[in-house]
Amino acid sequence: DAKTTQPNSMESNEEEPVHLPCNHSTISGTDYIHWYRQLPSQGPEYVIHGLTSNVNNRMASLAIAEDRKSSTLILHRATLRDAAVYYCILRDVMDSNYQLIWGAGTKLIIKP
Amino acid sequence: DAEITQSPRHKITETGRQVTLACHQTWNHNNMFWYRQDLGHGLRLIHYSYGVQDTNKGEVSDGYSVSRSNTEDLPLTLESAASSQTSVYFCASSIDRDRGYGEQFFGPGTRLTVL
Repeated sequence: DAKTTQPNSMESNEEEPVHLPCNHSTISGTDYIHWYRQLPSQGPEYVIHGLTSNVNNRMASLAIAEDRKSSTLILHRATLRDAAVYYCILRDVMDSNYQLIWGAGTKLIIKP
Repeated sequence: DAEITQSPRHKITETGRQVTLACHQTWNHNNMFWYRQDLGHGLRLIHYSYGVQDTNKGEVSDGYSVSRSNTEDLPLTLESAASSQTSVYFCASSIDRDRGYGEQFFGPGTRLTVL
């Protein structure tokens, strides 16, 4: 079973910031938090990952709560091309198994 | 540029037929995966491989098989297609653990319909 909880869908206006929440109350000390997104009719693509500290890259920022039981993916200025399903996934890097357990994700709707 | 490709992109077949879906990656990744995605759901792992001659069953492996004879390819075979196997199939590869954090790179998918 997926170890994360996300809202089914969210709406945001174009050119505004978007905060996508994820709850992972049973996270272990060696679990990394990964985010992927899946644009319509495409395969998923990696967005960002983190362990404890907040992370930034060209696509997004990841804010991780101090107790690590929740995190938020931040799109600083959403465009219509950011409309996708966003998946929050935990991966234990001490586990040689590379499997990712996928939930249903959050469908992000961007309004022009 | 390195990439991962899948073929065919669309396939219609009949119940009972054998079907093989191709996956080819030029990332030189040792790890490769096959997932299926049913409408409105997340991905479920079918089979995976950590290298040549290595294959492992995933969450939903019944009715599917894979073989890994080289680094670049991991074909997925449906031995006797069933209507329940109608789905979109994604292939992925990932960076070795000692060179990254396991980010997976996905192909464009194959839409399979079993009539």
